[in-house]
Amino acid sequence: EADIYQTPRYLVIGTGKKITLECSQTMGHDKMYWYQQDPGMELHLIHYSYGVNSTEKGDLSSESTVSRIRTEHFPLTLESARPSHTSQYLCASSAPRPGGGDYGYTFGSGTRLTVV
Amino acid sequence: DAKTTQPPSMDCAEGRAANLPCNHSTISGNEYVYWYRQIHSQGPQYIIHGLKNNETNEMASLIITEDRKSSTLILPHATLRDTAVYYCIVRAWVNNAGNMLTFGGGTRLMVKP
Repeated sequence: EADIYQTPRYLVIGTGKKITLECSQTMGHDKMYWYQQDPGMELHLIHYSYGVNSTEKGDLSSESTVSRIRTEHFPLTLESARPSHTSQYLCASSAPRPGGGDYGYTFGSGTRLTVV
Repeated sequence: DAKTTQPPSMDCAEGRAANLPCNHSTISGNEYVYWYRQIHSQGPQYIIHGLKNNETNEMASLIITEDRKSSTLILPHATLRDTAVYYCIVRAWVNNAGNMLTFGGGTRLMVKP
């Protein structure tokens, strides 16, 4: 049973459309992340959040934006989709573990976006 | 975060132990060693992590050398479903910080019948 949910699982959309990829977690984790991964390629961090009202850009520059109004919700928005945005988008969350480190990231199943 | 080096690919016979190595010679004292795997195009799955001591859970064992410059992930009885890309990641945990994970190329493990 997944504790982090991403919707939609697949999305095909036309160029210029505005889209929002949803990510929700039920674990109460403060830290959440968005990664982008092209087929057969490495994962790249594009956004992360320490907690409510905190958002930061990741290592890979992205035209997307994120918001964190509630702990459990971390949506990613593309104002005007382009074919170059075609990729898989993966959401994750994490929490600290007593004694040090964390419990590890929990990833969602991802959204596979195709912009035509 | 310390850089890691992993072989790009490995094969393992089904039922045998899979030993996946990782070099992290520049690891700092406060950095943990994490292992994740990604099956096909699913989201990565956390496997195990450790700081200094060897660790074991229901999925795998993590052996960290005494100087902490390398580690080995052991899947004791590999099955076909363990075929995946395995990532070794080294990073510190800092309170009130992002604690992002940087994924490299990983090791593509192929478990064969």
